[in-house]
Amino acid sequence: AQSVTQPDIHITVSEGASLELRCNYSYGATPYLFWYVQSPGQGLQLLLKYFSGDTLVQGIKGFEAEFKRSQSSFNLRKPSVHWSDAAEYFCAAGGSYIPTFGRGTSLIVHP
Amino acid sequence: KAGVTQTPRYLIKTRGQQVTLSCSPISGHRSVSWYQQTPGQGLQFLFEYFSETQRNKGNFPGRFSGRQFSNSRSEMNVSTLELGDSALYLCASSRNSDSGNTIYFGEGSWLTVV
Repeated sequence: AQSVTQPDIHITVSEGASLELRCNYSYGATPYLFWYVQSPGQGLQLLLKYFSGDTLVQGIKGFEAEFKRSQSSFNLRKPSVHWSDAAEYFCAAGGSYIPTFGRGTSLIVHP
Repeated sequence: KAGVTQTPRYLIKTRGQQVTLSCSPISGHRSVSWYQQTPGQGLQFLFEYFSETQRNKGNFPGRFSGRQFSNSRSEMNVSTLELGDSALYLCASSRNSDSGNTIYFGEGSWLTVV
């Protein structure tokens, strides 16, 4: 069965520090991969996506993610976190019409 | 261009009542999917419509239903509301049915059942 795992329920970082959010997937083939962000009370906003090609993907708001086939991972990174990045982050994988979402990682940013 | 629009944004209903939520997809998008989001269960897929046909369905009871109109707008209905139906209901749209298609979310409808 298809699955997406985000091992960290919460992550706390200081403003200005670097960030890495983990995502592992289980799929029959290489899936299409997405990262979404959800601010409190809002819907999900697409940060970036990987379909094929360069395994390092640039997204909005200074985020990037790297696809590693050997590790079945698609980790999200940002070199310097801003207080406004505090939100819930969802990784998703799709190989059919409906993507499978992870449970999300809540990012807390300390001043 | 306008994003996915959901109405109403907030509503309060009483147990046993029914509710209808509306979703207008991004112009040109023909696939509409619905999700329920709760703190305990995370993001759960309800159903997906494409060209007025329900093509995929999640594991929810028959009280949850939906439909899609010829202009791709969609509605979902929950009958005989239960306290546990309190959640954020998210609608998402995508351009077509190809695998790997990117879905875009609306801001959601907050339903509180009292």
